[in-house]
Amino acid sequence: AQKVTQAQTEISVVEKEDVTLDCVYETRDTTYYLFWYKQPPSGELVFLIRRNSFDEQNEISGRYSWNFQKSTSSFNFTITASQVVDSAVYFCALSEAPYTGNQFYFGTGTSLTVIP
Amino acid sequence: DTGVSQNPRHKITKRGQNVTFRCDPISEHNRLYWYRQTLGQGPEFLTYFQNEAQLEKSRLLSDRFSAERPKGSFSTLEIQRTEQGDSAMYLCASSNPGARSGANVLTFGAGSRLTVL
Repeated sequence: AQKVTQAQTEISVVEKEDVTLDCVYETRDTTYYLFWYKQPPSGELVFLIRRNSFDEQNEISGRYSWNFQKSTSSFNFTITASQVVDSAVYFCALSEAPYTGNQFYFGTGTSLTVIP
Repeated sequence: DTGVSQNPRHKITKRGQNVTFRCDPISEHNRLYWYRQTLGQGPEFLTYFQNEAQLEKSRLLSDRFSAERPKGSFSTLEIQRTEQGDSAMYLCASSNPGARSGANVLTFGAGSRLTVL
């Protein structure tokens, strides 16, 4: 069965610090996608990044970077030089390949507070 | 296109009443999903449509819940005989799995918050 675990419930950092959000997933599928979504206080879930199971290359996009390791089933997300506007709940999600499955499985979220 | 639109944004109702939520997805998206989110939890899958066909329903979707997408465009989620446990945010999302870029990415609406008194 698919499952996403975000062990960190709440994190507080001081502005400009780097912060890493952890995500561990479980799946029996060989093809799957991993996502990070941000949910600011306004409530709307915003897509941040996606990775497919065949691409373990880690990348940096602006202040965001991610570390995908299939060996440990982890998909961690780092915000560099955090800003107050980064304060939100962050969700890691797992989905099956689009033409063989449909569900997205979300973790319980990590609430990030960036203190000015 | 302004994204996924949901209404009403907030609904307060008394236990036992029926409520209906509407979702207008991004026009070129053929998949539409309903999720439920309670406080402190991540979104939980309820059901999804491929065009007008409802292809999967979660066991969370009791027989008091029904969803439709009659013409493959907008969708409605109806809850009959509401219970206090139905209080939650109901999220709609759409996707276009055939798109080269952004395939299998869910675009969410702002949600419809239900409070059952």
